Amino acid sequence: DGGITQSPKYLFRKEGQNVTLSCEQNLNHDAMYWYRQDPGQGLRLIYYSQIVNDFQKGDIAEGYSVSREKKESFPLTVTSAQKNPTAFYLCASSITGTGGLRNQPQHFGDGTRLSIL
Amino acid sequence: DAKTTQPTSMDCAEGRAANLPCNHSTISGNEYVYWYRQIHSQGPQYIIHGLKNNETNEMASLIITEDRKSSTLILPHATLRDTAVYYCIVRVATDTGNQFYFGTGTSLTVIP
Repeated sequence: DGGITQSPKYLFRKEGQNVTLSCEQNLNHDAMYWYRQDPGQGLRLIYYSQIVNDFQKGDIAEGYSVSREKKESFPLTVTSAQKNPTAFYLCASSITGTGGLRNQPQHFGDGTRLSIL
Repeated sequence: DAKTTQPTSMDCAEGRAANLPCNHSTISGNEYVYWYRQIHSQGPQYIIHGLKNNETNEMASLIITEDRKSSTLILPHATLRDTAVYYCIVRVATDTGNQFYFGTGTSLTVIP
């Protein structure tokens, strides 16, 4: 089945460590996105990528980094500079973020819950 | 910041229609309205989207007012599995792609 796979489902990080969250899609989508969700709140955009080897900062990019070396993969690294990393992280993809099909919806994975030890 | 306003919570009796309102008074002419829902600890699920005309699919109907400043999501026969947080989103198109602004949504509880 086509979809978006996020791993791991739960992740624990020690203070001062970097951790990388995986996001893979087999939908042949050009655009991919990372969001953060805190308890009782909506989603906030961290980074997005419209095409391979290109990505843009979202509203809360500080303390995070991404790469887009392959169309199907968009990993997110939570660095030690992120002072409050405990959250639910969601990855999404869409056919494209630009042009005539940019009205197409985003589809989400089931998330990774990151906690600090 | 999110560009939509939704009630914090709503209840609906099982089997009845659930009507979820959304205000988006600052929407511009080329922005679409999207609806998603999220069940606890899962990723948001796409429901429906529209620009000007009313839309219907197997999950729901979307009614957009003529001035486009508000919309209503209708679940025609709510079931217990429809209990979730429902997000109304206006898509902002930028030069480098689209962004989705998610607010806090409406927590819908379907009551047996």
